[in-house]
Amino acid sequence: NAGVTQTPKFQVLKTGQSMTLQCAQDMNHEYMSWYRQDPGMGLRLIHYSVGAGITDQGEVPNGYNVSRSTTEDFPLRLLSAAPSQTSVYFCASSREEYTGELFFGEGSRLTVL
Amino acid sequence: GQNIDQPTEMTATEGAIVQINCTYQTSGFNGLFWYQQHAGEAPTFLSYNVLDGLEEKGRFSSFLSRSKGYSYLLLKELQMKDSASYLCAFSDRGSTLGRLYFGRGTQLTVWP
Repeated sequence: NAGVTQTPKFQVLKTGQSMTLQCAQDMNHEYMSWYRQDPGMGLRLIHYSVGAGITDQGEVPNGYNVSRSTTEDFPLRLLSAAPSQTSVYFCASSREEYTGELFFGEGSRLTVL
Repeated sequence: GQNIDQPTEMTATEGAIVQINCTYQTSGFNGLFWYQQHAGEAPTFLSYNVLDGLEEKGRFSSFLSRSKGYSYLLLKELQMKDSASYLCAFSDRGSTLGRLYFGRGTQLTVWP
């Protein structure tokens, strides 16, 4: 089983550029989410989805967009990159919304110059 | 609002026992998770507590007291490979769906 697959693993952007972080899971999980992790800040929820066609905002949604057209895929779009979005991004999925163990992708390290 | 707190750093020696504490505040508590994260890697699940008491899983145990808003992760027979960040998180039904709130993590260093 591949689990949760994120691409790319590393990316450097210039301020104002846009890009999409891809996330796919093959465990048939309904719940998927995106977190960012910054030094000293812990993991903060950006957006999440409880099923295909359903998404909602987390703690830090500004500057990011998501969609969930299939159960498997949950891409995260940066609309106009800013240096404050330099971070490590993790996609995660779980079988259940509240009680399920989160399975994380390997992470995507993004630098915005 | 929601709040979660854990120590920033801890150190211990190989073979010892260490307890990492976590306190939280929320109105819609559902359960308490512990994750382990090695440097440069993704977090991996360690434990989940929904009821008060101690859950034991090999060298790792996790305790929960819902009335006190308190949990701890107990690591026994420490090994060098246990050097990692340990993340406490709670799930909150509240008025929003599907949120898992993470603490900032406790960086554990195990010395030989």
